[in-house]
Amino acid sequence: NAGVTQTPKFRILKIGQSMTLQCTQDMNHNYMYWYRQDPGMGLKLIYYSVGAGITDKGEVPNGYNVSRSTTEDFPLRLELAAPSQTSVYFCASTMAPGQGSGAGELFFGEGSRLTVL
Amino acid sequence: AQTVTQSQPEMSVQEAETVTLSCTYDTSENNYYLFWYKQPPSRQMILVIRQEAYKQQNATENRFSVNFQKAAKSFSLKISDSQLGDTAMYFCAFMMYNNNDMRFGAGTRLTVKP
Repeated sequence: NAGVTQTPKFRILKIGQSMTLQCTQDMNHNYMYWYRQDPGMGLKLIYYSVGAGITDKGEVPNGYNVSRSTTEDFPLRLELAAPSQTSVYFCASTMAPGQGSGAGELFFGEGSRLTVL
Repeated sequence: AQTVTQSQPEMSVQEAETVTLSCTYDTSENNYYLFWYKQPPSRQMILVIRQEAYKQQNATENRFSVNFQKAAKSFSLKISDSQLGDTAMYFCAFMMYNNNDMRFGAGTRLTVKP
């Protein structure tokens, strides 16, 4: 089982460049999330989605955009990259509450390490 | 928005002993989930244990158990018979039942010493 797949695993950007982090899951999960984790810190929620066509801002959405055109895919776009966006990015998914006993258990991708120079 | 606080940035424990990690949270809601996740050096996030707020019984998973105090909004993790493989960052997380954003605490770095 593939689970949650993120690409790329590593990327170096120059200030002002843009890029998209891809995330796809094959578990038919309704809920998907993007987090960032700065060195030695916890996870900060960037954006989340409860289903295709629906997205919401989390704690730190500035500088990012998302879309959810299908249940499987939840790409994160960085516009005009800045050094403050240097971080490890995690995509995650879960069932919605009431969909099963595993609701709320997040399945994470392996992370994408982004460096902005 | 709900907040999750882990007041212990770092902890250590001797192998085979017991350690307790603290977590408090702030919410006005009644129905929610609480989680402990483990992040070893490999960076992979691993679910350790899960608690539903409507259940009064504390969750247990082998050597891992929680002390869930709903009135005090406290959710501590006890690791018994600590093993070297338990060395990791541990994150407490909160998710409301009728909402969907999952919030994490800042984490506690646990080191198990031989």
